[in-house]
Amino acid sequence: GAGVSQSPRYKVAKRGQDVALRCDPISGHVSLFWYQQALGQGPEFLTYFQNEAQLDKSGLPSDRFFAERPEGSVSTLKIQRTQQEDSAVYLCASSSTGLDTEAFFGQGTRLTVV
Amino acid sequence: AQSVTQPDIHITVSEGASLELRCNYSYGATPYLFWYVQSPGQGLQLLLKYFSGDTLVQGIKGFEAEFKRSQSSFNLRKPSVHWSDAAEYFCAVDPYGQNFVFGPGTRLSVLP
Repeated sequence: GAGVSQSPRYKVAKRGQDVALRCDPISGHVSLFWYQQALGQGPEFLTYFQNEAQLDKSGLPSDRFFAERPEGSVSTLKIQRTQQEDSAVYLCASSSTGLDTEAFFGQGTRLTVV
Repeated sequence: AQSVTQPDIHITVSEGASLELRCNYSYGATPYLFWYVQSPGQGLQLLLKYFSGDTLVQGIKGFEAEFKRSQSSFNLRKPSVHWSDAAEYFCAVDPYGQNFVFGPGTRLSVLP
């Protein structure tokens, strides 16, 4: 596609509900990243994929967070039993080969847990 | 501790005035360095990046940044600000060639 696409753009979840956030990277991009951006703060790294392999998940804040990219293209970030502190914008980025080339960011999914 | 700092939370400048946004990093070696801009409701857009070589790098929209190893800084500059430059600006480093560490951001307001 023309850019990184994320869906939904907005999600309101009740506390305890499970959510799934989708990222469609630019076609052919090998690397895919997820970031969490709390209100008024910079994005914070969550996890990184190279093709279908999850090479770094050190930023996932708890075992309630799970990400997958089974076919090396579309990725899903799943949050189980959402809590209020999970409210944030979740950003996805993709790049052709790591970060020595430009990483392109999607518009993000704004998650609000009520 | 490894970190990226942007000392200015909010800066206001008049249209046509010059701009400098500060960024300092704390890492053992020189990481890859980036500046991104984020407009409301939009994703992050890359303004410029530094990997090696000339320490003054040119970016899009008339922005430039200078890497100063001795000061561990990578400040962003623009000689004449336009109203459309009002946005949030993030400095980012990539210390390991694998993921970004972002600063907290500087919000730029532009007065007519």
